[in-house]
This record gives sequence, C-alpha cells and structure tokens, in this order.
Amino acid sequence: QKEVEQNSGPLSVPEGAIASLNCTYSDRVSQSFFWYRQYSGKSPELIMSIYSNGDKEDGRFTAQLNKASQYVSLLIRDSQPSDSATYLCAVSASQGNLIFGKGTKLSVKP
Amino acid sequence: NAGVMQNPRHLVRRRGQEARLRCSPMKGHSHVYWYRQLPEEGLKFMVYLQKENIIDESGMPKERFSAEFPKEGPSILRIQQVVRGDSAAYFCASSPFSGLASEQYFGPGTRLTVT
Repeated sequence: QKEVEQNSGPLSVPEGAIASLNCTYSDRVSQSFFWYRQYSGKSPELIMSIYSNGDKEDGRFTAQLNKASQYVSLLIRDSQPSDSATYLCAVSASQGNLIFGKGTKLSVKP
Repeated sequence: NAGVMQNPRHLVRRRGQEARLRCSPMKGHSHVYWYRQLPEEGLKFMVYLQKENIIDESGMPKERFSAEFPKEGPSILRIQQVVRGDSAAYFCASSPFSGLASEQYFGPGTRLTVT
C-alpha cells in the first residue's frame, strides 16, 4: 500500500516567518511530487511540482526533494495570513493518478 | 472560463436515489481523474479516464459506482442507490497529457449529501 505521510498540524507561525511543511512517501520508485493548497470548503490548488532532487523556487515558495530519504518539503517565506490553509502533498502513482497525504493545516498569525 | 468545471456544486439525495456528477476538463485536456474527499479525510483517487476509455478504476468501489467520459460531453460519475456513507466532496481533475509528470488541475467539486 503506497502511502504519503504528513503531520496534520496545526502548524502555527507568525506573519513574516518561514513555514516549513514536510512529507514522506513510501514508494521508492515515485518520480513526481506536487504540493497543493486547499482552503476550507474549496478545491485543491496546485502550488508546486518537483521531479528531481534539490530545490525548486517559485516566488515565496520553495519545494525540496530528497529521493534517497523519500522526503519532500515546502517552505513558505514571509508567511502571510492569506497562506493559512491546508497543504496537501501528492505523489504520482504508476498510472498517473495522485496519492495524497492527509494534509498539514497551516495557521499564520498576524 | 478556462478552468475545470463541475456541476452541480451541491447535490442532496435521499438514500436509494441516484447521483450524477458532471465534469468538463480544462480546454485542451483529455485526461480526467475523479477523487473523493470524506470529512476530515484526505483525497482518495477513484478513477482515471480518457475519452471513451477507462484507464484505471482501481480506486472505485466495485458496486454502485460507475464513470464514463464519452466522445462528446462531460465526464460523468454515477452513484446508484446512494447511502449515507457516500456523503463527501467529489473532485474532478484534468491534465493535458498522461504520464507521471503531468500536473492535475482541480475543479470546484460537488458536495454530495445523502439524507
């Protein structure tokens, strides 16, 4: 059973701080990794995709991938109250569908 | 609207009725995925379709659930004889191509309530 694990949180950070969200996955052959943001009552919104080891930056967001450790992370710099949401880590399965973690709830306090 | 469209946004059914959920992928996308999100649970894959083909239905319950993506028109997820446990948010996602690297974009979802 392929699994994706995330701390459920809530993770609370002050406005302006760096939020660090972590994810581990069980299938060693996984190749594609995604971070989605989901506001309460809304649908998941794609933030980042990452496919190779290392860092990938997009604005205030940085995704980090370490395939040897089966670990993916998302850093949010200069966190804003509008970043308060649940962040979902997803891993591609063999047919291309996504396996999701249960999500980490982030709260950014003004 | 160039995004993924789903309707209805909210659907209430009594136990034993049928529910039909519709999904129109983004323009240029021919791959459709259905996911279900139970309250306080993560998103679970149900089925992956291309036009006129079911590619992977490994996540779909064997009974009462079916899906199609006809040559013309939206993809439809059909739930027959609904039960209270079917109450959930059903999301459709689309991608422009197949493969492990393909990014998926989600529609607004259909919230199904079974009374």
